[in-house]
Amino acid sequence: DTGVSQNPRHKITKRGQNVTFRCDPISEHNRLYWYRQTLGQGPEFLTYFQNEAQLEKSRLLSDRFSAERPKGSFSTLEIQRTEQGDSAMYLCASSPTRQGANNEQFFGPGTRLTVL
Amino acid sequence: AQSVTQLGSHVSVSEGALVLLRCNYSSSVPPYLFWYVQYPNQGLQLLLKYTTGATLVKGINGFEAEFKKSETSFHLTKPSAHMSDAAEYFCAVSFIAGDTGRRALTFGSGTRLQVQP
Repeated sequence: DTGVSQNPRHKITKRGQNVTFRCDPISEHNRLYWYRQTLGQGPEFLTYFQNEAQLEKSRLLSDRFSAERPKGSFSTLEIQRTEQGDSAMYLCASSPTRQGANNEQFFGPGTRLTVL
Repeated sequence: AQSVTQLGSHVSVSEGALVLLRCNYSSSVPPYLFWYVQYPNQGLQLLLKYTTGATLVKGINGFEAEFKKSETSFHLTKPSAHMSDAAEYFCAVSFIAGDTGRRALTFGSGTRLQVQP
């Protein structure tokens, strides 16, 4: 169990640029989640995948945001035309589907995005 | 809709003192409840969870929490604080609606715990 990994750990970009983040879940977990955390707040849910299917999306996920999980393994989160309000920590989590897992989610270290 | 309220954005205790971090939730169906800890510039680590069964739940690092349905609370406690407990703590709630149903965690705004020597 190598844990959830996220790349890059930090990203600084200029307003209007596009950015893409990657998440590699724990290998046997087929559920994957994205959250956003701003300073002084708890994480807020963005979207979740079961295998390659995107099953739930938050209203926070505007049309500038897109997430994919093409082969049911790693996932990418892309933000187009970044705005300063997109500055946040983007957290990825994964969970297994075995009975008794009870929605326990394992989090990665996050990608901190700064939009100048 | 479900929500989580954590009373006290900052809590300061002396080393060796009791730690009590408060969490109240609202949920229209029986919830799953979680406490996570976050150290600076790191992701979240699960401390403990309540799903069904025993209402007093023990977690890692000596923490425990009690689910009180009548009070809609899930407060986190530790009998004796250690310097290494200084971190941000988040309470979260979810419920499961079918096999492919809603699984998002709803988090509180967090409580920063300071431990004084």
